[in-house]
Amino acid sequence: EVQVVESGGGLVQPGESLRLSCATSGFTLSSYNMNWVRQAPGKGLEWVSYISSSGTVRYYADSVKGRFTVSRDNAKNSLYLQMNSLRAEDTAVYYCARILSGSGSYCDYWGQGTLVTVSS
Amino acid sequence: EIVLTQSPATLSLSPGERATLSCRASQSVTSYLAWYQQRPGQAPRLLIYDASNRATGIPVRFSGSGSGTDFTLTISSLEPEDFAVYYCQQRSSWPQTFGQGTKVEVK
Repeated sequence: EVQVVESGGGLVQPGESLRLSCATSGFTLSSYNMNWVRQAPGKGLEWVSYISSSGTVRYYADSVKGRFTVSRDNAKNSLYLQMNSLRAEDTAVYYCARILSGSGSYCDYWGQGTLVTVSS
Repeated sequence: EIVLTQSPATLSLSPGERATLSCRASQSVTSYLAWYQQRPGQAPRLLIYDASNRATGIPVRFSGSGSGTDFTLTISSLEPEDFAVYYCQQRSSWPQTFGQGTKVEVK
């Protein structure tokens, strides 16, 4: 069974950092591209970051570029999102999602999300 | 950036009725469009990809159509579990973007 589990969320002050983790199981992570998608409270979905299966290609939304860094450790079946210089508008549930093989960006398995709250 | 506009914002229907949701792109995405369902408190679920292909395990009452800039998600006969928020997503060009969502609620 495919499982995707995010962790690392919490309450931080503006300007602080946080590192999210995404543990995967039930599939070979090294064969899949992955996305991070977030959802502010009561709002819609916003794509945050993409990382290719090998980690060599990474894309970011303009809203997080230069502040967030996506990485992965395929040997540990894990994905990470390092978030620096956090702002109030980064407050959201952050989802880690597997990208459907061969599809480019469609997310076929999602975790339940981890809540990040940025507030003083 | 390609903007996806979904309509209507809210659709009020009864179980058994047909639901028709629209997603319009600000420029052509050819057929690179997906639909997701999100129930309250849950993660999104992929329903349709590449405009008209049902994802694994998705019931046949869900169907997608369209190409270019205009797309439709149709639920042929609403079941109680179908009342949720639906999002479209394009992967034609970076950044990938989502529509703002359509809420299907019980009338």
